Amino acid sequence: EVQLVESGGGLVKPGGSLRLSCAASGFIFSTYSMNWVRQAPGKGLEWVSSISSSSTYIYYADSVKGRFTISRDNAKNSLYLQMNSLRAEDTAVYYCARDRIAAAFNWLDPWGQGTLVTVSS
Amino acid sequence: EIVLTQSPATLSLSPGERATLSCRASQSVSSYLAWYQQKPGQAPRLLIYDVSNRATGIPARFSGSGSGTDFTLTISSLEPEDFAVYYCQQRSNWPRTFGQGTKVEIK
Repeated sequence: EVQLVESGGGLVKPGGSLRLSCAASGFIFSTYSMNWVRQAPGKGLEWVSSISSSSTYIYYADSVKGRFTISRDNAKNSLYLQMNSLRAEDTAVYYCARDRIAAAFNWLDPWGQGTLVTVSS
Repeated sequence: EIVLTQSPATLSLSPGERATLSCRASQSVSSYLAWYQQKPGQAPRLLIYDVSNRATGIPARFSGSGSGTDFTLTISSLEPEDFAVYYCQQRSNWPRTFGQGTKVEIK
């Protein structure tokens, strides 16, 4: 069974940093592109970042470019999101999502249960 | 950036009724459009991809259609578990974008 388990969320002050992790299991992690998507409280879904299977291709939403860094460790079956210079508007549940198939950038399936990041003083 | 506009924002229907949800793109996304379902307190799940293909385990009452800029998700006969929020998403261009969602609520 495919499992994606996010961790690392919490309360952080504006300007602070946080590193999210996503532990993957049940599939060959190194062959799939991976993604982060966030959802502010009571709001819709916002794509944040995507990384290809070998980290060759990386994309970011403009809202996080220059502040967030996506990375992965295929040996540890893990995906990461380093978030710096956090702002109140970054407050959201952050979901890790795998690509549906092991090809370059596909649909998001499945998703983890998410980790809540709250940016507040 | 491709903007996806979903309508209506809320759809109030009874179990057994047909639901028709719309997603309009600001420019052509070809067939690179998907639909996700999200229930309260849960992660989204993929329902339909590439306009009309049902994801694994999705019942046949869910169907998708459209092309270019206008797309539709149809639920032929609503079951109690179908009351949720539905999002469309495109992967034609970066950045990936989602619509703002349509809430299907019990009338």
